[in-house]
Amino acid sequence: KAGVTQTPRYLIKTRGQQVTLSCSPISGHRSVSWYQQTPGQGLQFLFEYFSETQRNKGNFPGRFSGRQFSNSRSEMNVSTLELGDSALYLCASSLVGAPQETQYFGPGTRLLVL
Amino acid sequence: DAKTTQPTSMDCAEGRAANLPCNHSTISGNEYVYWYRQIHSQGPQYIIHGLKNNETNEMASLIITEDRKSSTLILPHATLRDTAVYYCIVRGPFGNTDKLIFGTGTRLQVFP
Repeated sequence: KAGVTQTPRYLIKTRGQQVTLSCSPISGHRSVSWYQQTPGQGLQFLFEYFSETQRNKGNFPGRFSGRQFSNSRSEMNVSTLELGDSALYLCASSLVGAPQETQYFGPGTRLLVL
Repeated sequence: DAKTTQPTSMDCAEGRAANLPCNHSTISGNEYVYWYRQIHSQGPQYIIHGLKNNETNEMASLIITEDRKSSTLILPHATLRDTAVYYCIVRGPFGNTDKLIFGTGTRLQVFP
């Protein structure tokens, strides 16, 4: 079974631009979560989607948004990029998101904002 | 905030067992203990999880104390490829399901 895939793997943007990242979960998984990892803040939860609905949200500004499609694929969007948005963005999937289910992570998208 | 406390770093000789401790003194009865590891700049890799009982899989063993306030991840025969940051995470309950709260983790260095 294929793992979680994320595209693109690397991205360079400039301040003020917007960016869209994509995540394809493991086949059959309906819950998708997004995380941001920076050297200063570590791994932080962004949001979780299940059945095309945002079910949980972390403490990030409204510039960070996401959506999920009927095939469970998910995208996250960051508008008006800031230098501090440079990070590794990770996507994780699980069946329905219950605590006893394992979340499987993708390889991440490394975003550099200049 | 992370609900776990781990040592910042540990060393282990190749071929020896690596025992990584984790304190989670405020854990609730319906919260699970998960372990992930992250090799430099890759996505976190699931290792093992448990609720009350000790667990073992092909990668590691998880020992949870009877009061559930702490646990130990055991890599029985560490190899150089086990060098990574190991995260201990308390997860749950339902309703706050998919928010994995990562702490700073333990940086395990396996040396020859």
